[in-house]
Amino acid sequence: GAGVSQSPSNKVTEKGKDVELRCDPISGHTALYWYRQSLGQGLEFLIYFQGNSAPDKSGLPSDRFSAERTGGSVSTLTIQRTQQEDSAVYLCASSFRGLPDGYTFGSGTRLTVV
Amino acid sequence: EDKVVQSPLSLVVHEGDTVTLNCSYEVTNFRSLLWYKQEKKAPTFLFMLTSSGIEKKSGRLSSILDKKELFSILNITATQTGDSAVYLCAVTNNAGNMLTFGGGTRLMVKP
Repeated sequence: GAGVSQSPSNKVTEKGKDVELRCDPISGHTALYWYRQSLGQGLEFLIYFQGNSAPDKSGLPSDRFSAERTGGSVSTLTIQRTQQEDSAVYLCASSFRGLPDGYTFGSGTRLTVV
Repeated sequence: EDKVVQSPLSLVVHEGDTVTLNCSYEVTNFRSLLWYKQEKKAPTFLFMLTSSGIEKKSGRLSSILDKKELFSILNITATQTGDSAVYLCAVTNNAGNMLTFGGGTRLMVKP
C-alpha cells in the first residue's frame, strides 16, 4: 500500500481482556518494528522483524506481549490479560532492509485499558 | 543501555522566532542520530546525521551533530504555527536497526 496501515485506530478494552493490534507495512519493506508511546513520553522499542530472521523481542515488557509476522508482511501484536499500564499508543513502522532513515510510521493504535 | 535526553521538555514561542532544540545521547557503538516531527500520531522523518560538524538543512530547519560532545541540535528559523509539534530525537547503534528515542520536546508556536 501507499503507507503503513494500522488497525484499529482506537481500542478501549477492559482490564484482563486480550487485544490484537494489526500492522500492514509498505509493500516491499522487509523490516517491521513495533513501538509504544505512553502519554507525554518518547517511543519505546518493543519488537523488530527483518525478513525471515528470528525477531528481536528484546523490548517486549512482559510475557503478556507477543507479536508475529505472517508471510513477511502483516504483523499482529497481541497483549494478553491487559493491565491499565498497557494504555498507550502502539506505533508500527516499516523500512526497506531496516535502513533507519527509511522508516515510515503508521498512525498508531491508541489503546485504553479501563 | 543506550540513552537519549532532550531539552527543553516544552517551549512556547511566537511566529518568527528562532528556536534551538537539544538532544544529548549515550550510545555504545553509535551509528546515527535522527530527528522526527510528530504532529498527531505518526512521526515523520526530518534528518539523519552520522558525521560530526556537517550541517543538514531543509528549508527553515537545520541540524548538526557533535560526536565528541555527544549531542545534536535542531534549529528552526522564522517559526510558523505549522511548526507546532513534538520533536523527537533518536539514535541507532551498530547492533541493530531499532531506534532509541528521547522523550521529545513539545514546541508551540503562537501567532
